[in-house]
Formats: sequence, C-alpha cells, structure tokens
Amino acid sequence: QSALTQPPSASGSPGQSVTMSCTGTSSDVGAYNYVSWYQQHPGKAPRLIIYEVTKRPSGVPDRFSGSKSGNTASLTVSGLQAEDEADYYCSSCAGINNVVVFGGGTKLTVL
Amino acid sequence: EVQVVESGGGLVQPGGSLRLSCVASGSIFNNYWMTWVRQAPGKGLEYVADVTQDGSEKHYVDSVRGRFTISRDNAKNSVYLQMNSLKAEDTAMYYCARHNWYAFDIWGQGTMLTVSS
Repeated sequence: QSALTQPPSASGSPGQSVTMSCTGTSSDVGAYNYVSWYQQHPGKAPRLIIYEVTKRPSGVPDRFSGSKSGNTASLTVSGLQAEDEADYYCSSCAGINNVVVFGGGTKLTVL
Repeated sequence: EVQVVESGGGLVQPGGSLRLSCVASGSIFNNYWMTWVRQAPGKGLEYVADVTQDGSEKHYVDSVRGRFTISRDNAKNSVYLQMNSLKAEDTAMYYCARHNWYAFDIWGQGTMLTVSS
C-alpha cells in the first residue's frame, strides 16, 4: 500500500497548459484503469475531476483531461484560470484487498 | 441532490475510542460502497476504509486494520467508523465519501479528530 508519486508543485500562467504526473507500479496504476484525480482548494473537501483515467464527471470543464501510459497517469489542465490554483491528488485501485492508494498531491500555482 | 454529512469528531486522549458517523441523503446511497478518507493537518489524502453495499465486505489501510471498524446501516443511510486504540498519528480531518468504482464522487465536509493528551 505505498503511496503514488506526484511532484510537489507545478505552475503555469493564465491561458497556458500544465501537466501533472502520478507514478505508481504495475500493481496499481499499471494494472487498473481506475485512476482518479481530485481537486482540493484550501479548507474545502476534495472534488472528483477525473475518473477511470480519462472520464470527467458532469460539471467538470473539458479543460481538465486525463491519460495513462504504463505505470504513470497524467492530468492536463488547459487554458489555465486563476480558480484552477489548488492541490491535485491522484488515486488508484491497488488491487490487494480492493484498497485505494493516493498520491502525495501536487500544488498548482497559477502565476 | 445527494449530500453527505459527517459528525462525531473531537478531542480524544491517546488509547481512547471514538465513533464517527456519516449520513447520506438520497436513496442511491444504498447501491454504493462507502469510504472514509482522512487528511492530517497540512498533509495529503489517505484512504482509511471502505464497505460494500450490503456491509458484507470491508477493507482497511494497513495502519488502521485491527483498530478501526467500518460499518453501515442502510435503513438510516448511514456509515460509521469505530476507532479504538487511537494514536497521535490518527489526528486528521475525516471525510466520508461515496465510493463509485474506486472513484470517490461525493464527499462530505469532514469531521476533525484530534488525538492528544
């Protein structure tokens, strides 16, 4: 049940695109298409923005997109806006006993 | 609209016990797994436990297995987390969320647990 690896920080200017990575292993990210991404603003509960690697829940702008290659998943935010400044967490099914593992989170700064 | 509301947090001494509660609105609660996720102050998210629709299967992160017990009462649209032998490292905001095929799609606002003497 090791945590997934995310870079601690990322940044971009308004209108630009930024991609954040989430690296796991062949037992979690690489084994299942159950990768999710969450956005969390300070003092707020997390919000699901991507599930099953590429799918967006209703109400999530299409500026948010997800992908996966091997043991690494990625979240891309296009057309950065000030309100995108937040912490982003990835998660994956880890297989063993159906538990879920999270990444340590990436703090996105909009310059 | 489905909403989730947690309660039961507070200050507990090391070694103590506490039970967290979570009530979900809407009939669709009964058709989903439910989960608890925690976040220590200034830290990231950590999966704690989940329970299947009928309560027959439960899963735990290694750090709480044997100390925490998740349960649910579908008649009350509620899920619970019984926490025993609490440690300082259990101090966190505890979130209840709907577990939708390994995506946690509906979250409560959380309830804070502080373990300290």
